[in-house]
Amino acid sequence: SAVISQKPSRDICQRGTSLTIQCQVDSQVTMMFWYRQQPGQSLTLIATANQGSEATYESGFVIDKFPISRPNLTFSTLTVSNMSPEDSSIYLCSVELGQGRAFFGQGTRLTVV
Amino acid sequence: GEDVEQSLFLSVREGDSSVINCTYTDSSSTYLYWYKQEPGAGLQLLTYIFSNMDMKQDQRLTVLLNKKDKHLSLRIADTQTGDSAIYFCAENSGGYQKVTFGTGTKLQVIP
Repeated sequence: SAVISQKPSRDICQRGTSLTIQCQVDSQVTMMFWYRQQPGQSLTLIATANQGSEATYESGFVIDKFPISRPNLTFSTLTVSNMSPEDSSIYLCSVELGQGRAFFGQGTRLTVV
Repeated sequence: GEDVEQSLFLSVREGDSSVINCTYTDSSSTYLYWYKQEPGAGLQLLTYIFSNMDMKQDQRLTVLLNKKDKHLSLRIADTQTGDSAIYFCAENSGGYQKVTFGTGTKLQVIP
């Protein structure tokens, strides 16, 4: 398994502002993933982050709204830009550790007011 | 695209067995998983099964896979109040592919 730490664990933000979420892994991993979990919903993949290349975004998600950094093999950030109340969700980072097993951070609970 | 469906809610009495069901559509699924999410927490990988298996047991957990019917189930024996959580079924077609999650089943354990 892996230890995945996310910061912040929760935040309340004003609409129109941006929030950067950090994800730190205790081992080097090739792929890191960012998911969104809207209230009462399942998880939706936002993007896949590779070190040294641009993130790959899923349909419905764009780089301008969710810029991602992946400066090394243990760290990634996701920014939620120009926030609106519809962005209120839990954001989770995840790593894959063989056999497709995804391990998750504890999530960042974002409320936009 | 892939689709993973689960019933939304299950209520059981403490000490009874719980069975959470899941159906999926992707016939190329290689691995299937069960995750547990407690309130306010991230997802915890409980167990997973390779698609060429039909059963896997891990202490109180039993996973059954019917690949023909694309049906996966998780049985929790002697369900405890600490098992109350949302359980997500998920599938992966192998390698660095995205994991597709089900809708989640909220398990309520009644003391």
